[in-house]
Amino acid sequence: DAGITQSPRHKVTETGTPVTLRCHQTENHRYMYWYRQDPGHGLRLIHYSYGVKDTDKGEVSDGYSVSRSKTEDFLLTLESATSSQTSVYFCAISLGVGGSGANVLTFGAGSRLTVL
Amino acid sequence: AQSVAQPEDQVNVAEGNPLTVKCTYSVSGNPYLFWYVQYPNRGLQFLLKYITGDNLVKGSYGFEAEFNKSQTSFHLKKPSALVSDSALYFCAVRGTSGTYKYIFGTGTRLKVLA
Repeated sequence: DAGITQSPRHKVTETGTPVTLRCHQTENHRYMYWYRQDPGHGLRLIHYSYGVKDTDKGEVSDGYSVSRSKTEDFLLTLESATSSQTSVYFCAISLGVGGSGANVLTFGAGSRLTVL
Repeated sequence: AQSVAQPEDQVNVAEGNPLTVKCTYSVSGNPYLFWYVQYPNRGLQFLLKYITGDNLVKGSYGFEAEFNKSQTSFHLKKPSALVSDSALYFCAVRGTSGTYKYIFGTGTRLKVLA
């Protein structure tokens, strides 16, 4: 299995507090992604990164920011959490081109966030 | 903009019968297409992909999918369903025109009845 770790796996927080979720990979993959999964909405892309310090918005980026200061870590920050951001958050990585796993996303185990 | 539609929230099929889970897509340029499966309380697992070449692609656990460019579809199929196939299935698309965004559908819950 690809080395991809999300932390924390579970978090309960209050409205208005900042929250940071971490995705750590040991695969040296160039591309990293943050998705949220909600019933009826499937998986929606929040932000993604195509290299160190290179990030771009996804479908539902409002209220979220990201940072990637080194290849192995991709942080998702909720500056001021709201109840609508209660969700399961998945990190994914991709090698990009080349190799048998080219273009395939590999997912972390997910982080369940509850905002009260 | 890229998009994926999975028109069925749930598909029920009897064990041993063939199954189809539908997916249509919209993307600029040629598509890269994927199917993922999520078992209860588990992460997402890759099933199969279409990048180029044969329109019929085979993947894990006996699943296959057919790419149809004219209908912009990529339906997931299996000749004989198992109860253990019951799970949530996601179709995804990535464009090839300067983007590395993977867009997913809303998911289809497959229920295989014994």
